[in-house]
Amino acid sequence: AQKVTQAQTEISVVEKEDVTLDCVYETRDTTYYLFWYKQPPSGELVFLIRRNSFDEQNEISGRYSWNFQKSTSSFNFTITASQVVDSAVYFCALSEAMGGGATNKLIFGTGTLLAVQP
Amino acid sequence: NAGVTQTPKFRVLKTGQSMTLLCAQDMNHEYMYWYRQDPGMGLRLIHYSVGEGTTAKGEVPDGYNVSRLKKQNFLLGLESAAPSQTSVYFCASRRRLANNEQFFGPGTRLTVL
Repeated sequence: AQKVTQAQTEISVVEKEDVTLDCVYETRDTTYYLFWYKQPPSGELVFLIRRNSFDEQNEISGRYSWNFQKSTSSFNFTITASQVVDSAVYFCALSEAMGGGATNKLIFGTGTLLAVQP
Repeated sequence: NAGVTQTPKFRVLKTGQSMTLLCAQDMNHEYMYWYRQDPGMGLRLIHYSVGEGTTAKGEVPDGYNVSRLKKQNFLLGLESAAPSQTSVYFCASRRRLANNEQFFGPGTRLTVL
């Protein structure tokens, strides 16, 4: 069965610190996709990144970076020089690959609440 | 282009009452989903639809029904609301091709007393 584990329930950092949010997944599929979503205090869900299982290159987008390691089934998210606006709940999610009737349902982790203090 | 919209944004029900949550998307997406979000549980899939006239059960379907009569709309119904259905409900949609991201609506906060 597919499963996503975000072991860090809450993290508190001071502004400008770097912070890494952990995500560990389980799947028997050889092809799958991983996602990160942000949920700010306003409540909406904001898409951050999608990564397929064949692409293990790390990705950087501004202060955000993602480290995908198939060997440890992890897809960790790092925020460099955190800011107060980064305060949110962050969700990691897993989806089976497209094909043959697959519906690409998202399996979410329980989320990590990040609080960035000024 | 409004994206995914949900109606209503907030609702308070008494146990046993019924209601329908409406999700609408203007992106011509084939797939639509209903999730519920509860504290410490993340988002869990209730029902989903892969196209007009087709629906299927997700992880937590009990107590809910859905309909997809039009491609752009996905309705979630509670026939007899229970306090356990107090939650925030999110609708999402995505294109069928490739494994694109799901676009989420703003959510509906439902309280059942």
